Order: sequence, then structure tokens, then C-alpha cells
Amino acid sequence: KNEVEQSPQNLTAQEGEFITINCSYSVGISALHWLQQHPGGGIVSLFMLSSGKKKHGRLIATINIQEKHSSLHITASHPRDSAVYICAASSPFNTDKLIFGTGTRLQVFP
Amino acid sequence: DVKVTQSSRYLVKRTGEKVFLECVQDMDHENMFWYRQDPGLGLRLIYFSYDVKMKEKGDIPEGYSVSREKKERFSLILESASTNQTSMYLCASTLQRRSPFPSTDTQYFGPGTRLTVL
Repeated sequence: KNEVEQSPQNLTAQEGEFITINCSYSVGISALHWLQQHPGGGIVSLFMLSSGKKKHGRLIATINIQEKHSSLHITASHPRDSAVYICAASSPFNTDKLIFGTGTRLQVFP
Repeated sequence: DVKVTQSSRYLVKRTGEKVFLECVQDMDHENMFWYRQDPGLGLRLIYFSYDVKMKEKGDIPEGYSVSREKKERFSLILESASTNQTSMYLCASTLQRRSPFPSTDTQYFGPGTRLTVL
């Protein structure tokens, strides 16, 4: 069993739909990261959170430390949101190292 | 904006060749990382460095070595490339100096190098 698991692995949506991607982890963490990878490879950090909720534009990330679960929400999805979304956990013992989930591939159709 | 660049986007090499992948960051970051990314496995850490001439093994260092002679540059070396090293290689950097205290720093990634070993 992976220490960081994401669901679903693949997700398709129509433009405008509300999207949720889930991340569960089985290790202690100091922070949970959400990353976005567009076709072509480049990865961008979206959020880093250790409690509560963060919002940036149409993106919202939440974390429940007790349940060891985080969600990434996209409101009013758009085809340009199509990408792979990756969650990663920072270990409290060696936070230079991230433990990555395998990613969720999102496709938003017009 | 932080910029992390990698020497090549695509690279094709033959089995047994020595391969150098270069990564440069322009924001005076302390920490630099090399990952490989494979379908179904996600990103896996090969090596990281928290200072010039310092390096630490990640989860999959076998078959790789690294060099950090200057703060801004971190090189990944495949001494004798093999077909199972065909992968996407990603470099990343973080600002904060390594310390005893947990750091939760944002990682900035390069565009990746897709390496094919024939």
C-alpha cells in the first residue's frame, strides 16, 4: 500500500463542473502539497497546507489532519484545467523529502 | 519568479553511454533535488543536495550519481546508461536552508528531461 494515495486515477468532466480530487496518507506529515503537471512535464506547486483550507482563484484545498485526508476542489472547471494533479506529503522527520501520490489525470471537455 | 532550467527537454542515448543531466536555478536556493517520474509510480527521489558539495541519497540512487560544485547547478550523472533508466527526469529546488527544524518549503520544478536509452 502506498503511503500517499489519490483517487480517482482518471477523471473526465464537462466545462463548468465542480471537481474533487482526494488524497489520503498513512504517514505523519508536516505539510501536504498539491501540484499540477501539464502535458509536456512542467510541475507547478498549487498549495502547501498543514491545516484547514486554502483558496486561490477557482482552486480550493482542504486538509483534515485527524482523518489524514486532503481534497483539491476546482470550481467552474475549464478545459485549461486539464492536467495531472499530484498530492505529496512532507515528512515531519525529513521535510526536504516529499512522498508523492501517483497523480490524478483530469480532462475537462468544452 | 523562480526559474529552474534543465539542459535538455528530450535526450536519446545508447546503452552504456555516460549521460549528464544539468539543472540550474536562478534564485539562490539552498536545496536541490533530482526525481524520476514513471507511469503508475509517480515521482521518486534519486538524490538531493542541501549545500555545495553536499549530497544525500534519495529512494532510488542506484545507477546514478550527482555533482554540486556551484550553488545554482545540480548535475545528475548516469555512469553507464541502461534501458531501465528510460524515464522523465525532473529537477527541483527549495529556498530554505536545511535545519533541524521541519521545513515546509515550496518546491520549484524544472520542465523535465525525457530520456530514452536504446
